[in-house]
Amino acid sequence: EPEVTQTPSHQVTQMGQEVILRCVPISNHLYFYWYRQILGQKVEFLVSFYNNEISEKSEIFDDQFSVERPDGSNFTLKIRSTKLEDSAMYFCASRARTGGFYEQYFGPGTRLTVT
Amino acid sequence: AQKVTQAQTEISVVEKEDVTLDCVYETRDTTYYLFWYKQPPSGELVFLIRRNSFDEQNEISGRYSWNFQKSTSSFNFTITASQVVDSAVYFCALSGVTSGTYKYIFGTGTRLKVLA
Repeated sequence: EPEVTQTPSHQVTQMGQEVILRCVPISNHLYFYWYRQILGQKVEFLVSFYNNEISEKSEIFDDQFSVERPDGSNFTLKIRSTKLEDSAMYFCASRARTGGFYEQYFGPGTRLTVT
Repeated sequence: AQKVTQAQTEISVVEKEDVTLDCVYETRDTTYYLFWYKQPPSGELVFLIRRNSFDEQNEISGRYSWNFQKSTSSFNFTITASQVVDSAVYFCALSGVTSGTYKYIFGTGTRLKVLA
């Protein structure tokens, strides 16, 4: 069964450094998402992406964040200058509009630790 | 605005007990989707079930069952004869059509501890 993959599974970085989290969505999917989960808290929507542009973003998704689909298969989340509070699990998701359901398929997550 | 409330922060049960996890949602959409996910200690989100707003039939899958009641805006999840492997955090989520992007709104989760 097709699945969403994410790399790396765990990334440790120093405050102020740039990080890029990578996701490979399911191949025929059209809609892409990033979610964030701070340890012990709920999963929160960050951004959605469709047709090579951001379709919606949350208040969390400020100028430090950007998303890109550089090559038609990868979907990336970049954090320009990481802060301690960016430490979290980041989930990528994708969906295809088929059959009337709008189910998103989640990747296994990237745990980001900012020191 | 859309909102999901899971009032139970943590539940502890002894193995073989039944346990119900509550989920109450708010939405102005007439068409929406509800989901339950399991998050084991390893951290991934494991999909359990989805329900659309037009289908109020309860569902049973093995030891799991779900009770969807539009009248009370609730979508509760029951585990029958709980097992230690059921220990995890369980999230309820909502996706409505008016957001346009069908983003998921998650509840704060319920941590279930099943004791041997």
